[in-house]
Amino acid sequence: GQNIDQPTEMTATEGAIVQINCTYQTSGFNGLFWYQQHAGEAPTFLSYNVLDGLEEKGRFSSFLSRSKGYSYLLLKELQMKDSASYLCAAFNAGNNRKLIWGLGTSLAVNP
Amino acid sequence: EAGVTQFPSHSVIEKGQTVTLRCDPISGHDNLYWYRRVMGKEIKFLLHFVKESKQDESGMPNNRFLAERTGGTYSTLKVQPAELEDSGVYFCASSQKRGASTDTQYFGPGTRLTVL
Repeated sequence: GQNIDQPTEMTATEGAIVQINCTYQTSGFNGLFWYQQHAGEAPTFLSYNVLDGLEEKGRFSSFLSRSKGYSYLLLKELQMKDSASYLCAAFNAGNNRKLIWGLGTSLAVNP
Repeated sequence: EAGVTQFPSHSVIEKGQTVTLRCDPISGHDNLYWYRRVMGKEIKFLLHFVKESKQDESGMPNNRFLAERTGGTYSTLKVQPAELEDSGVYFCASSQKRGASTDTQYFGPGTRLTVL
């Protein structure tokens, strides 16, 4: 079967660092996407990992371990505007090219 | 560059009625996807167009759902007749071209469909 797991909710303090984990089991895997979604808005692309390791992009970094079926999104210097849902999705670039989604992690950043 | 747009943003209809959702992808994007999120569940793939052709429609729930992309530009998703379980947020996404190693899908804001 295909399964993506991530925590339902997380809380953190402004200025802190938070790590959101995602584990996946999918048939046909090419890479792992992270999207940010504010309530009522479109999911916004954050990162895409194909190779193992950490990719840094400003305050946001994303890590992938293909052998472990594991990824995390690291958010540094948290700001209030980072309060949102963070969705991980596994990508299959074969014939299907579909995204398999987790339920999303709702992050609340408190002052 | 304009992003993916969807119309309407909200739709409330009664069971048995027909609704048509529209998606305008980013100009030049060959790939167009429809997804749906039912409350409390994960986003689920519905179907994928490459230009005007349906590449994969394995996620379409049943034959009450009909998607079209005439001319390979905008797409419509028609639900006829609508049932209560069709309620949810319908997202459209587009990406540039097949074969790209990084094929980022850009999403529209979604259409929130409520069937009463």
